[in-house]
Amino acid sequence: EADIYQTPRYLVIGTGKKITLECSQTMGHDKMYWYQQDPGMELHLIHYSYGVNSTEKGDLSSESTVSRIRTEHFPLTLESARPSHTSQYLCASRGQGAWQPQHFGDGTRLSIL
Amino acid sequence: TQLLEQSPQFLSIQEGENLTVYCNSSSVFSSLQWYRQEPGEGPVLLVTVVTGGEVKKLKRLTFQFGDARKDSSLHITAAQPGDTGLYLCAGEARLYSSASKIIFGSGTRLSIRP
Repeated sequence: EADIYQTPRYLVIGTGKKITLECSQTMGHDKMYWYQQDPGMELHLIHYSYGVNSTEKGDLSSESTVSRIRTEHFPLTLESARPSHTSQYLCASRGQGAWQPQHFGDGTRLSIL
Repeated sequence: TQLLEQSPQFLSIQEGENLTVYCNSSSVFSSLQWYRQEPGEGPVLLVTVVTGGEVKKLKRLTFQFGDARKDSSLHITAAQPGDTGLYLCAGEARLYSSASKIIFGSGTRLSIRP
């Protein structure tokens, strides 16, 4: 069973607020990812990290930022939330070596009013 | 640009029927995963296939990796309401040396009617 946790599970907040979505994994995985997903739709990669102090933007442009100060922690921050940021945000990690699958958290459902 | 196309996008069938979901690409993958995602949760891994032509069975689910490792299929026999969910395929594409990239398909939303 994968050990990757996201908090909060649900967040409803007003426009202009600063938001941080937390993601932690206890598997010691170097690779971590953030995806944005509208309900029932495909996943869009917005950020990834291959290790501490390494962060890259994904395929989908996002106004969010990420940091990777510790291996187990990969938080995502929105400096000023807008209604267009309303979505589900999924965090994943992946072990080293070939053929390793991604392990997903349960996601954060974000709603900006 | 590497793409992974899934079909059908939506499928609604009666309990007890059989179905097949397809995942196709023009790119070669070193491995391919299938995930199932239920509403409000993250995707959960069902299977990983790595060898061209490989077939794996998971109870009523049969997964096949194409001979050329460019495509895959998921066949469900005697579908049950519990099979309802979003099915995602994901291919691992080699970039250079030891680097690889995971590419997700667009997903198939499956609904099984009792």
